[in-house]
Order: sequence, then C-alpha cells, then structure tokens
Amino acid sequence: GQSLEQPSEVTAVEGAIVQINCTYQTSGFYGLSWYQQHDGGAPTFLSYNALDGLEETGRFSSFLSRSDSYGYLLLQELQMKDSASYFCAVRFQTGANNLFFGTGTRLTVIP
Amino acid sequence: DSGVTQTPKHLITATGQRVTLRCSPRSGDLSVYWYQQSLDQGLQFLIQYYNGEERAKGNILERFSAQQFPDLHSELNLSSLELGDSALYFCASSADGGATGTGELFFGEGSRLTVL
Repeated sequence: GQSLEQPSEVTAVEGAIVQINCTYQTSGFYGLSWYQQHDGGAPTFLSYNALDGLEETGRFSSFLSRSDSYGYLLLQELQMKDSASYFCAVRFQTGANNLFFGTGTRLTVIP
Repeated sequence: DSGVTQTPKHLITATGQRVTLRCSPRSGDLSVYWYQQSLDQGLQFLIQYYNGEERAKGNILERFSAQQFPDLHSELNLSSLELGDSALYFCASSADGGATGTGELFFGEGSRLTVL
C-alpha cells in the first residue's frame, strides 16, 4: 500500500532549527507538499517540491529525493507560533488532484 | 482566511441520526474535496468533485454521500451516525482538478461533529 511516514512528535527550542522527515512508500506522484495545521485550525499550504532538491520560502525550506523516497521540511529561527502539526502530502498521477496526507508531526517549540 | 466557507462550525447529534455539512469553495474554484480528521489523526481523503462531477473517491463509508451543485457549493451527508464518526470534517477547494502547478488546496475551518 501507499504510506507517508512522519515522526509523531518533535520538540525544539525557540530560535533553533528543526527538520521534520517524511519517508514514503509510493510512486507515481507529481510532487511533495507540506501543510501546517494549528490545533483546531485549517491546514495551510507551506511548500511544494515538484523536482528533487531544495525549495526555500523564508524561514521554511523543503527537500525531496525521489531516489531515496524521502523528503523533509526544515524550519529555521523557530518561533513559538511555529508550534503546530505538519503534514507531508502527495498528489498521485491519477488525473485527480486530491492529496494523500502523511501521518503528521506535532512540533512543540519551547522557550 | 482561505475563502472556503463551511457550515456549521460545530454540530452535536445522537447515534443513528443524519447530518448535512455544507461547503462553499473559493470564488472560481471548480474542485471541492472532503477530508475527515479524527482526534489526533491525520487527514483522511473522502471524496472529490470537479465542476459537479465526482472525480475521485477515497475511504468514504457507504453511509456517507456527497454532491456538488451547479453553483459549485458542496454538501456532505452523513447518515446512521456512529460514535466513531465524531471528527473534524474539512472541505477544501482548488482551481483545477488535474496536475497543474502546486496543486495547493485551500481548506475551510472545518465542521466539528460530535456524535453522542
């Protein structure tokens, strides 16, 4: 079956750098996306990797390696407001556009 | 504000009952998606509609059904409710139903369903 595995929880210190990994067992997808969800809130789009390599958007960067079936989200200069759940997701080459989400990582930023 | 509107925000009902959740997509978006998120769980894809037609189906129970109307709003109907159906139900929309661009989905704030 298809799966996107993420660590369930990560804790990091304010101002530090944290990496959230996403390993997958799937194929035939267009790209890897990352979404942020604060408790009780709506998921919001963070980044997208169509090709292998690093994409940078401000304090957030995302990486994809199809050969290693692996991606990650890198958050720099952590702020308290970054405490949230982070989901990787893929869009399969089926003609539809629905996202298949990973298991999610709850990030807690501590002072 | 994503531009996607969901109603109601909260709903409490009893087992065996039926509820309808409503979603208005962003202006101009043709695709609507429904996702279920149980407590501390991930986002499970239920169903997608594109311009009124069903485009993709996920792990949607037979007790659940959905449709997209000509004005592009969508409704998710949940019937014969069970305790395990308690969850946050998200609607999302996107401009297209295919493979262009990032495929970014815009999510509403969700409808929290509690079945007692």
